[in-house]
Amino acid sequence: GEDVEQSLFLSVREGDSSVINCTYTDSSSTYLYWYKQEPGAGLQLLTYIFSNMDMKQDQRLTVLLNKKDKHLSLRIADTQTGDSAIYFCAGSNYGGATNKLIFGTGTLLAVQP
Amino acid sequence: SQTIHQWPATLVQPVGSPLSLECTVEGTSNPNLYWYRQAAGRGLQLLFYSVGIGQISSEVPQNLSASRPQDRQFILSSKKLLLSDSGFYLCAWSTGTGDQPQHFGDGTRLSIL
Repeated sequence: GEDVEQSLFLSVREGDSSVINCTYTDSSSTYLYWYKQEPGAGLQLLTYIFSNMDMKQDQRLTVLLNKKDKHLSLRIADTQTGDSAIYFCAGSNYGGATNKLIFGTGTLLAVQP
Repeated sequence: SQTIHQWPATLVQPVGSPLSLECTVEGTSNPNLYWYRQAAGRGLQLLFYSVGIGQISSEVPQNLSASRPQDRQFILSSKKLLLSDSGFYLCAWSTGTGDQPQHFGDGTRLSIL
């Protein structure tokens, strides 16, 4: 089955760019997702990319997908203290009538003022 | 627009007591519904999913059960809680067709004493 891996921790200074990386094993995902989780809260869908795309940009967020290397990244430009959170990437395992998401372990982003 | 509600937000229960967590979705029909548990180590584990009323699929053997008595209502239950049931429980929904993103509730923090 799908396995998704992320580095556990990233620290950046306010105003710098953050790059959060993710690798996955199953290339059959139609979409790949990025979620954000603030302390004590649920997961918020940030963005997602269709598997036949290489890049998607949405305001300060840029998603890059390298299908050959099975590598996904999320770049946050001009990182702010409000971006401090855990970021999860997820691949999908769609079969039958439902879409099961396989989550990475999450990357804790700490933004230093 | 669609919204998802979970309650209670926090719950402290003694070992051996019963459990009922509720999740409701508004603004959509026939959603796929999901229950996840997030342990202290951060990873998310899919517990149950449902593609329709009365249809429940279990992903892992455990002390918990799920039910879907109405189209937009999903309930997580236990007859006798164990210490290992402690965690953060998240409900999610997605549209019932295709490979679609999941949208999460704010979660329930369950502590077992």
